[in-house]
Amino acid sequence: GQQVMQIPQYQHVQEGEDFTTYCNSSTTLSNIQWYKQRPGGHPVFLIQLVKSGEVKKQKRLTFQFGEAKKNSSLHITATQTTDVGTYFCAGPSGGATNKLIFGTGTLLAVQP
Amino acid sequence: ETGVTQTPRHLVMGMTNKKSLKCEQHLGHNAMYWYKQSAKKPLELMFVYNFKEQTENNSVPSRFSPECPNSSHLFLHLHTLQPEDSALYLCASSQSLGAGDYEQYFGPGTRLTVT
Repeated sequence: GQQVMQIPQYQHVQEGEDFTTYCNSSTTLSNIQWYKQRPGGHPVFLIQLVKSGEVKKQKRLTFQFGEAKKNSSLHITATQTTDVGTYFCAGPSGGATNKLIFGTGTLLAVQP
Repeated sequence: ETGVTQTPRHLVMGMTNKKSLKCEQHLGHNAMYWYKQSAKKPLELMFVYNFKEQTENNSVPSRFSPECPNSSHLFLHLHTLQPEDSALYLCASSQSLGAGDYEQYFGPGTRLTVT
């Protein structure tokens, strides 16, 4: 079945350092979504990318969708302690359902 | 209330108990979901409902029984659970049209412990 993998599983950075998480799908995706889950919280939608090669920015966060629409990345510039949490990518399973397949997630720890 | 609400927030139950989790969305969505989140499988889809009809059962054991009386409410009835069912149960909703084209809004979850 369709799989969505993320690397790394865990990343520990010093505050101010950059961070990148990578998302890879076993199938081509019509879109990719990113979610953030703070410790003890629930996933919160961040952004959706639709076009091949699309790049979107939200302040210090940069999201990219690969040309083949099978991979994506999230880059955080100059991390802050508020960036702590697990970042999930998610892509549609395809077909007639509106099921999202979530990636395995990357847990980001930021040391002040 | 706004967004997606879930009750209870915490639940401890014995293996012989019967309990229910409740989810309510105030977003006007027509699709609702149950997810299980544990250390082993971060976000595991359990059930999908579209316009009150179940459209996905991700091979979930029958000790979990969902119910969707209308597009705003979703229940998960629990009975004869096992300790490995201890996890965070998340409810989510989204617009229904299109295959995964719309973002999902999650509730705060129910932290379930089975003793």
